Formats: sequence, C-alpha cells, structure tokens
Amino acid sequence: AQTVTQSQPEMSVQEAETVTLSCTYDTSESNYYLFWYKQPPSRQMILVIRQEAYKQQNATENRFSVNFQKAAKSFSLKISDSQLGDTAMYFCALPNAGGTSYGKLTFGQGTILTVHP
Amino acid sequence: GAVVSQHPSRVICKSGTSVKIECRSLDFQATTMFWYRQFPKKSLMLMATSNEGSKATYEQGVEKDKFLINHASLTLSTLTVTSAHPEDSSFYICSAVSEYQPQHFGDGTRLSIL
Repeated sequence: AQTVTQSQPEMSVQEAETVTLSCTYDTSESNYYLFWYKQPPSRQMILVIRQEAYKQQNATENRFSVNFQKAAKSFSLKISDSQLGDTAMYFCALPNAGGTSYGKLTFGQGTILTVHP
Repeated sequence: GAVVSQHPSRVICKSGTSVKIECRSLDFQATTMFWYRQFPKKSLMLMATSNEGSKATYEQGVEKDKFLINHASLTLSTLTVTSAHPEDSSFYICSAVSEYQPQHFGDGTRLSIL
C-alpha cells in the first residue's frame, strides 16, 4: 500500500523568510507524479506544484520549489519570500492508480503553516 | 486553469432531511470525480470514486445508502446525504480529473445538521 507522511503538523515562519515543508512517501511504482496542495482558511484546495518522477529537474512555480529525492522517496516543498497569503494547510499527495495524474490520491496528514508579519 | 464548481457552499438543515451537493467541472470533461469528507485541521478522507455512467465505488466504512452518488454526465456529479443526522455534519469536498487534468477541487460544502 502507498503511504505519504508529513511529519510536521505545524510550522511557522516570518514574512519574507524561507520555509521548507517535508514529505516522504512509499510506492512501488517507477513512474509517478507527486503533488503539493494548499488549503487556505477559505478551505479551497489549490494545486501548488507538480513533479514527474522521471524528471530529474526539480519543479518550480514562482516562489514555490521542490526538492525531489527519488531514491530517498522524499518530496519537500520550499517557499521563498513567504507572504501572509501563504498561511494555509499544505498537503503532499501521491496518485494511486498506476501513479498517473488522474488516479485516486493518497494524501499526507497535512502541515499547518502560519506566516507571521 | 481547470475550474470545478461545488454548490451549495453552506447548508444548515434539520435532522432527518436529505441534502444534495452538486459538483461540476466547468471547462473540461471529467472522466472521474471524487468525494471527500474533511474534519477540522485533518486530511481529506476519500468517501467514493464516481465515474460517468457507472455506479460509484465507495471506500470501506462509507455507507452507500447514506451517501448516494450520481454521475449522470461528464461534467456533473451529485452527492446526496440521506436522512442526515448531526454526526453527518462536516466539510464535504469534490474533485474532478480527466486524462489531461490532475485533480482539481471544488470549494467545498460546509454541512451543519441541527
């Protein structure tokens, strides 16, 4: 069975600083996607960034980047120049069905990030 | 980006009534839709997988007769909570996927049963 583990229930960071959220996972697939979703207080789930396992280059979306370590099965999210609007619960997710982007997702437990002014 | 609309956003109703929640993919045809339940500060708990034109697949422990799911078209899935009771109060959220789109989520429905 696939697992996704986020070991940091809560984190905080000062505005403009950098923070890294951890995620480890386990899968028997060789090719798969990994996702980070953000859920702000409004509770809307927003796709932040996506990584394809066969790509060695780490994905980047503006201030958000990942450190993908396939051998270690680690997929951390780095947020640079943190903004108050980044305050949210963040979920790491791994698709189940064949590891493709359209399968059921296994979510981590979530990390609540608070950005302080 | 892909847009998924969920309606209503908030429902307050009396115990014993049935509540229907709609999930629509507005700009793509969703081959599959998912329904989740979420408790405060917790992760999403998958309730069922809905494929257009076929019966929904429910996760273990989810009552099929309590949570009725219909996926009548490639853009619409509905979740009906039948004979709702206070313990059904929760945040329900849907998502939609296609061959070309990863899961995109609706804004969720906060259900409160009095």
